[in-house]
Amino acid sequence: GESVGLHLPTLSVQEGDNSIINCAYSNSASDYFIWYKQESGKGPQFIIDIRSNMDKRQGQRVTVLLNKTVKHLSLQIAATQPGDSAVYFCAENNAGGTSYGKLTFGQGTILTVHP
Amino acid sequence: KAGVTQTPRYLIKTRGQQVTLSCSPISGHRSVSWYQQTPGQGLQFLFEYFSETQRNKGNFPGRFSGRQFSNSRSEMNVSTLELGDSALYLCASSSGQAWNSPLHFGNGTRLTVT
Repeated sequence: GESVGLHLPTLSVQEGDNSIINCAYSNSASDYFIWYKQESGKGPQFIIDIRSNMDKRQGQRVTVLLNKTVKHLSLQIAATQPGDSAVYFCAENNAGGTSYGKLTFGQGTILTVHP
Repeated sequence: KAGVTQTPRYLIKTRGQQVTLSCSPISGHRSVSWYQQTPGQGLQFLFEYFSETQRNKGNFPGRFSGRQFSNSRSEMNVSTLELGDSALYLCASSSGQAWNSPLHFGNGTRLTVT
């Protein structure tokens, strides 16, 4: 039958604001998490990753927070710019021999930054 | 350092045909993974190759296959194309040394099956 497209969550912010994108994961065995940014016509671009032995990691203008108790991941973008407009995906993996190259992706969040 | 390169960027095929997609990983990366991206299912893992061996496989039918060459370049093949195979096919490379090596994606091949 005809497939129904995913209805992605959206986040709309003004340039200069801070953005927070959230992600819930379901596999309690997951211990590696990555955030990707995908612009129209391009592949996912690596932003930042975090391992389960950490609860926070910072990069350039981005911070990832991990709460394993409630299985929640968030990406904070400081001073959001129009160039940050894209779809953001969280992805997870768990340790083990069957995990090589195999990420489980979330549905994505559309971030729109208004000048 | 050049990124992951996928060719061709666009393909149009007819039902029943077969197609081969190509991926060149980042220099020094030995692992190549393939993903299918569709509006309905999102990003789904197809398979992963390391040192010319398939090390991991997703839940796709046998019509989807791949291989990796000694220079780490990879190809994936889809036989007997169906309309539902229309998708963006993404290749990602990593060092592959550890299960949690970050994946770096190419810009994909857009396949349309008519």
